[in-house]
Amino acid sequence: GNSVTQMEGPVTLSEEAFLTINCTYTATGYPSLFWYVQYPGEGLQLLLKATKADDKGSNKGFEATYRKETTSFHLEKGSVQVSDSAVYFCALSQGAQKLVFGQGTRLTINP
Amino acid sequence: DGGITQSPKYLFRKEGQNVTLSCEQNLNHDAMYWYRQDPGQGLRLIYYSQIVNDFQKGDIAEGYSVSREKKESFPLTVTSAQKNPTAFYLCASSTNRGPVPQHFGDGTRLSIL
Repeated sequence: GNSVTQMEGPVTLSEEAFLTINCTYTATGYPSLFWYVQYPGEGLQLLLKATKADDKGSNKGFEATYRKETTSFHLEKGSVQVSDSAVYFCALSQGAQKLVFGQGTRLTINP
Repeated sequence: DGGITQSPKYLFRKEGQNVTLSCEQNLNHDAMYWYRQDPGQGLRLIYYSQIVNDFQKGDIAEGYSVSREKKESFPLTVTSAQKNPTAFYLCASSTNRGPVPQHFGDGTRLSIL
């Protein structure tokens, strides 16, 4: 079945550091890929998405590129801020099937 | 502003009791969802509804029940049959009648006394 694997957390960085959170997936065909963010004590927010190979999703300085050849959708940001501290979830959906989430990666940014 | 309201934020249940979690949205979304979140795990789908008076089981529906009598409301009942109900419950909605929630509520944390 479909599955999503994220890099193990927690991840701790200093402000203005470069961020990469790895995400790989297993699916037949061409799923849509998503990144969600969960700030402390809140629900999830859709951060960005990509629906076909080589698409780049972007929002709030975050980017992720749909790489079919490596089945990956890594999240990147060039300069993180303390306010980016949150849990990040990678997810996929395929056709009419439900959303499948990774286990989440907790990110902490220190000033 | 439109959004999803879940209440209460914290809920305590005695063993053997049923408890209902509220979810209301004023986004005029057709589809609504309930997810369960456990520490260190991703979200798992409990139930979803694509239209009023219709709903489908997700991956972990056992011990839960839902209703969708109104477009804006999708309450979740955690029954006594759910053996491990302590978790964070998230309600979500989306504009399309598909599997991708676009808006989430702030969640209800359920604990067993």
